[in-house]
Amino acid sequence: GDSVTQMEGPVTLSEEAFLTINCTYTATGYPSLFWYVQYPGEGLQLLLKATKADDKGSNKGFEATYRKETTSFHLEKGSVQVSDSAVYFCALSEGTNAGKSTFGDGTTLTVKP
Amino acid sequence: DADVTQTPRNRITKTGKRIMLECSQTKGHDRMYWYRQDPGLGLRLIYYSFDVKDINKGEISDGYSVSRQAQAKFSLSLESAIPNQTALYFCATSDQTSRLLGEQFFGPGTRLTVL
Repeated sequence: GDSVTQMEGPVTLSEEAFLTINCTYTATGYPSLFWYVQYPGEGLQLLLKATKADDKGSNKGFEATYRKETTSFHLEKGSVQVSDSAVYFCALSEGTNAGKSTFGDGTTLTVKP
Repeated sequence: DADVTQTPRNRITKTGKRIMLECSQTKGHDRMYWYRQDPGLGLRLIYYSFDVKDINKGEISDGYSVSRQAQAKFSLSLESAIPNQTALYFCATSDQTSRLLGEQFFGPGTRLTVL
């Protein structure tokens, strides 16, 4: 079945540091890939997405590129801020599963001033 | 106003009690989901529904039941709560327009504690 493996956390960075959170996936078909973010006390919200190989999703300074050859969708940001402190989830969804998503375990990011 | 709402937001109950968590949405989406979140375990799917007459078990449905009362409402019940059902519960929606993209829209969560 489908699976998503994320870099284990927690991750602690200083403000303005470079961020990478690794995500790899296993899927039988051609999934769409997502990063969701969960701020303290809130539900998950979509951060960015990519629907086919070599697509780059971007939002709020975050980027991730759909790499089919390495089955990866790593999240990056060039300069993190304290307000980026949150839990980040990588996820995939396959059309054959008609809307069901598979989520990684989440990576907690703390950014210190 | 929030598009996906959950009530209650917090609940403390005792072992053996029946609990219902409610989810409502104003997004007009056909598809609704219930997940639980436990530290280090990510999100696990409990039940999902693709329309009012469609209910499907997820990966961890034992000990839970659901009711899809209307397109906009999807309730999760714990018939006899036990302590290992202590978790954060999320409702989510998606629609056919975004079906192929798989994007889901989440409520704010219900924190349930079973003593």
